[in-house]
Amino acid sequence: ETGVTQSPTHLIKTRGQQVTLRCSSQSGHNTVSWYQQALGQGPQFIFQYYREEENGRGNFPPRFSGLQFPNYSSELNVNALELDDSALYLCASSLAIQGTGELFFGEGSRLTVL
Amino acid sequence: AQTVTQSQPEMSVQEAETVTLSCTYDTSESNYYLFWYKQPPSRQMILVIRQEAYKQQNATENRFSVNFQKAAKSFSLKISDSQLGDTAMYFCAFSVGSNYKLTFGKGTLLTVNP
Repeated sequence: ETGVTQSPTHLIKTRGQQVTLRCSSQSGHNTVSWYQQALGQGPQFIFQYYREEENGRGNFPPRFSGLQFPNYSSELNVNALELDDSALYLCASSLAIQGTGELFFGEGSRLTVL
Repeated sequence: AQTVTQSQPEMSVQEAETVTLSCTYDTSESNYYLFWYKQPPSRQMILVIRQEAYKQQNATENRFSVNFQKAAKSFSLKISDSQLGDTAMYFCAFSVGSNYKLTFGKGTLLTVNP
């Protein structure tokens, strides 16, 4: 177990709707990253938050947004869902000061967009 | 841009035998980390082994070892004495310096047969 939990584990939405995915980081970890893993692909970096501020973003449109809270929890919000947003969304936490580069992943939230 | 290539979509090995998974990467950076992550079915992705680019010595972790060829930009994973619990998707990943954004390959599905 990595100490990172995500909810919900599975959900189904329709095109155009909005979704919020939640993550509880490992205690003490001040950095959280979100990844999108399409079927049969490796995870792709969406963005990273450090001390509640966005600290890097991948090639994803602005309708993907996030929040990080002081209690080590975070959210990924996706607006105007598209069919291609169907994927496993992974949250990963880390301790920036540790300097090892290791990420601790949750089990993911599997989103299906119909 | 950094890229990671895993040329073996699937591999299989008999229990107790040795298997090597291949990974190549492309970057112009000099300070970076390389990782192998394991993603068992419906389980959390966990770190298997990590290599700092400035270290010439190949990393080892129990039955897992890497062959890091910096000039060739190659980073293969050797699993010795394969066990049934090693069955999983294995991802090679790369990060630059202290930036925790990981760039992943597409993965190799390893099946260990009894």
